[in-house]
Amino acid sequence: GAVVSQHPSRVICKSGTSVKIECRSLDFQATTMFWYRQFPKQSLMLMATSNEGSKATYEQGVEKDKFLINHASLTLSTLTVTSAHPEDSSFYICSAVGQGGRSRWGYTFGSGTRLTVV
Amino acid sequence: GENVEQHPSTLSVQEGDSAVIKCTYSDSASNYFPWYKQELGKRPQLIIDIRSNVGEKKDQRIAVTLNKTAKHFSLHITETQPEDSAVYFCAASSTGGFKTIFGAGTRLFVKA
Repeated sequence: GAVVSQHPSRVICKSGTSVKIECRSLDFQATTMFWYRQFPKQSLMLMATSNEGSKATYEQGVEKDKFLINHASLTLSTLTVTSAHPEDSSFYICSAVGQGGRSRWGYTFGSGTRLTVV
Repeated sequence: GENVEQHPSTLSVQEGDSAVIKCTYSDSASNYFPWYKQELGKRPQLIIDIRSNVGEKKDQRIAVTLNKTAKHFSLHITETQPEDSAVYFCAASSTGGFKTIFGAGTRLFVKA
């Protein structure tokens, strides 16, 4: 149980365009999802916390207008990188927590999305 | 804000030796401490975790210890194998908010 699917796994986009990343909980209802960014050889940096049906809470230094997060249902959260620039190139990964079971402690990660902005 | 410090950043051991990675945390409300193993280009995988009501937990070659008073916890890997080579992250979170803060990571090399 507690499977989190993330799509796409890899995306290359042109500078100035927007990219949407989806994070789905497949076998549980995710009341909260977390979005992380990981630069090469660095740790996972929390970007924002997403609660179903409410606005996301962004960490200090993360631009909410650039990284749009929508958690419209109990199984889906999306991260949209708007007007992407090369410095946004990174590994983006989500994590979900929900009701009961192994999902409860938030240690189930999606497979990650490697974004390359050219 | 919350902070998790992890040491060392790089660790190289001979196959069969033990490896120890240490972390400290700042948020006294933290009560859940997972450890993750991340191989290159892949998602972090939970390898062991410990909750604040326990001082030590062991799973085969892996063990974790927690000192809540001192706010530090450690990962111990015994009889290391080349396939243990990866980046290991410690983390701390509280059940109230579930927000997980990660350490900077330790790159472990196990030499055959």
